Amino acid sequence: TQLLEQSPQFLSIQEGENLTVYCNSSSVFSSLQWYRQEPGEGPVLLVTVVTGGEVKKLKRLTFQFGDARKDSSLHITAAQPGDTGLYLCAGQHSNFGNEKLTFGTGTRLTIIP
Amino acid sequence: DADVTQTPRNRITKTGKRIMLECSQTKGHDRMYWYRQDPGLGLRLIYYSFDVKDINKGEISDGYSVSRQAQAKFSLSLESAIPNQTALYFCATSDSLRVFNEQFFGPGTRLTVL
Repeated sequence: TQLLEQSPQFLSIQEGENLTVYCNSSSVFSSLQWYRQEPGEGPVLLVTVVTGGEVKKLKRLTFQFGDARKDSSLHITAAQPGDTGLYLCAGQHSNFGNEKLTFGTGTRLTIIP
Repeated sequence: DADVTQTPRNRITKTGKRIMLECSQTKGHDRMYWYRQDPGLGLRLIYYSFDVKDINKGEISDGYSVSRQAQAKFSLSLESAIPNQTALYFCATSDSLRVFNEQFFGPGTRLTVL
């Protein structure tokens, strides 16, 4: 059972445009991570959000954790070709002990120059 | 730089063959993981280890086995490969001292079973 749904599955936009991708679940997560994966490489951690309603910015990328900690969004301003990649969210139900990550299905983003 | 490496990067094999994928890390992390990635299915956990000789099954462990004889190394074996094990395989590490289990991935092994 896939607990984290990401949308859209594919997104292709022109350089300079803004975009938002989503990560949704029916269950509550204690923390949520976003990764970016480029072709031929493994995922690389971008950010971890922990508190409901939290907003974190990483240059042109803005990450938000939903108030109820069931969903998250990633907004990119003025997209650049270097933003192209597979964006994965991953959630953790507990921050204690041996909790594993649950990964979403990913959004494949293509920025057209 | 501290890193996670995987060998081989690409492998083509035939049904029924035994295959071993190797993962090494210089990050000093105690936790290691094996995932497979299939189009549209994201990353699914095969096995994980929290310390040397500690082995735990993930959500899709059938047909796979692992070995953790040293902190820096975690190997994944397919005893008798089958075509539906064709996928991209990733090793990852994390540090148990960090609260949020952020993971660091290797570059992946692309495995094709004919």
